[in-house]
Amino acid sequence: GAVVSQHPSRVICKSGTSVKIECRSLDFQATTMFWYRQFPKQSLMLMATSNEGSKATYEQGVEKDKFLINHASLTLSTLTVTSAHPEDSSFYICSARGIGTYNEQFFGPGTRLTVL
Amino acid sequence: DAKTTQPTSMDCAEGRAANLPCNHSTISGNEYVYWYRQIHSQGPQYIIHGLKNNETNEMASLIITEDRKSSTLILPHATLRDTAVYYCIVRAPMEYGNKLVFGAGTILRVKS
Repeated sequence: GAVVSQHPSRVICKSGTSVKIECRSLDFQATTMFWYRQFPKQSLMLMATSNEGSKATYEQGVEKDKFLINHASLTLSTLTVTSAHPEDSSFYICSARGIGTYNEQFFGPGTRLTVL
Repeated sequence: DAKTTQPTSMDCAEGRAANLPCNHSTISGNEYVYWYRQIHSQGPQYIIHGLKNNETNEMASLIITEDRKSSTLILPHATLRDTAVYYCIVRAPMEYGNKLVFGAGTILRVKS
């Protein structure tokens, strides 16, 4: 149990375009989802936290207009990187938390974004 | 959340026990110690967590000192597939809405 998927696993896009990354909890309802970013040889950095049906809470220094997060259902959250630039190239990882037995953070496999 | 201190890297021979230390001297009474690991280019994988008693599961054992200021993760028989970055995280209970904040972790290299 507690499987979290991400799609796509890898994406390459041109500078200036927008990219959407999906995060799904496959076998539990995720009341809270977290988005992390990881640059090469660095640790995971929390970008934002979202509760289902509510606006996301962004960590300090993360631009909410650039990283749009939608958590419209209990099994799906999306992260849209708008007007992507090469410095946005990174490994994006989502994490989902439910209730009861699933009241822990379960991580997805990550999405590698490369902006040319 | 309390900060943790871990060695930057460690080596371990295949088949031997890997003992990964973590210091968390400012831990509060209701904060848990969590361990995750991250294999290259994958998402973090949960290993184990504990509050004050030692814990064991199919992956590892967690030894927490009596004063709770430090802990050790033990992989009893390390394999090459255990090569990863291991993160020790101290966090308040989930019902307080706290999230996992990752530090630098320890790079464990298991060698044949």
